[in-house]
Amino acid sequence: EVQLLESGGGLVQPGGSLRLSCGASGFTFSNYAMSWVRQAPGKGLEWVSAISGSADTTYYADSVKGLFTISRDNSRDTLYLQMNSLRAEDTAVYYCAKASDWGSASYFDYWGQGNLVTVSS
Amino acid sequence: DIQMTQSPSSLSASVGDRVTITCRASQSISTFLNWYQQKLGKAPKLLLYAASSLQSGVPSRFSGSGSGTDFTLTISSLQPEDFATYYCQQSYTIPITFGQGTRLEIK
Repeated sequence: EVQLLESGGGLVQPGGSLRLSCGASGFTFSNYAMSWVRQAPGKGLEWVSAISGSADTTYYADSVKGLFTISRDNSRDTLYLQMNSLRAEDTAVYYCAKASDWGSASYFDYWGQGNLVTVSS
Repeated sequence: DIQMTQSPSSLSASVGDRVTITCRASQSISTFLNWYQQKLGKAPKLLLYAASSLQSGVPSRFSGSGSGTDFTLTISSLQPEDFATYYCQQSYTIPITFGQGTRLEIK
């Protein structure tokens, strides 16, 4: 059974940093691209970032480029999102999502449970 | 970026109704169009991929069609558990983009 378990969210002050983690199980992690998708309170889904299975290619939404860094440790079956210089508009539930194949532009067949990040003083 | 526009934004319907939600892309995306269902407080769930392929375990009352720029999601006979928000998503190119969502409510 595929499982994605996120951790690392919480309350952070504007300008602060936070690292989200997503532990994967039930599939060969390194064979699949992974993404982060966020959802601000009461709003729709926004794709944030993607990383290839081998971690040699990364992509970012313009809204987070230069601020967030996606990475993965295939030896630990874990996906990360390092978020720096956080702003109030980054407040959202962050989901990790498994891509359907190795390609970073794909659909998401499994999602984590979501992790709330609140940026507020 | 490819813009995805769903209509309607909200919809009221009754159990047993046939419902159609549309999604339009700002440029051709072939059939790289996917649909998700999200219930309140839960993660999205994949319903259909490649415009018309049903994800494993999804009831056959859900169906999808379209290619190019215009797509539809149809629920043939609404069940109580189908009341949720539905999103389309294009996987044609990065950045991946979603529609704004269609909230399906009980009439």
